[in-house]
Amino acid sequence: AQKITQTQPGMFVQEKEAVTLDCTYDTSDPSYGLFWYKQPSSGEMIFLIYQGSYDQQNATEGRYSLNFQKARKSANLVISASQLGDSAMYFCAVSAQGGSEKLVFGKGMKLTVNP
Amino acid sequence: ETGVTQTPRHLVMGMTNKKSLKCEQHLGHNAMYWYKQSAKKPLELMFVYNFKEQTENNSVPSRFSPECPNSSHLFLHLHTLQPEDSALYLCASSPGTGFDSNQPQHFGDGTRLSIL
Repeated sequence: AQKITQTQPGMFVQEKEAVTLDCTYDTSDPSYGLFWYKQPSSGEMIFLIYQGSYDQQNATEGRYSLNFQKARKSANLVISASQLGDSAMYFCAVSAQGGSEKLVFGKGMKLTVNP
Repeated sequence: ETGVTQTPRHLVMGMTNKKSLKCEQHLGHNAMYWYKQSAKKPLELMFVYNFKEQTENNSVPSRFSPECPNSSHLFLHLHTLQPEDSALYLCASSPGTGFDSNQPQHFGDGTRLSIL
């Protein structure tokens, strides 16, 4: 079974600074995928970035990058140049067999960007 | 049209009522999902449908009854709910089994359900 651990309940960051959101995972599948989602107060889950377990390079998507350390089973999200609109809940998720059909989510963590 | 649309956005119902949540996706996906999000808990996967067939029922009580008439529509029929069923119910879709693994699930805005 898969498991995601997000230990930071909440973080504060100043606008324009970078911030790292922690995520560790546990899975017995040899092939898996890691996803990060953002959930504003409106409720919608917004996909941010994906990392495949066999990807050689860390994923990047605009201001988002994923610090993937396979041996440590960590997949931290790095947000560069924080914006006020980045304030939201952030969820890390892992999927079996690399596909997105069955995602297991962490409890999430709340990021607040201060002006 | 947004990718995944859920209606209603908010629903208040009594424990004896019967209501339905609707989800529609305009992304051409073949898999659809229902999740429950309670306060301070991880998202809980409830049901998965692939090509209209239910492939996952995560031990959900029978007072929740899903229906998937086609790959674009998913319903969650509710009856005789309990106060602990109050939560945000999220629908999602994805390309489906066998597609590229890096294709994420796309979520709707959710239905915030309150049981009186």
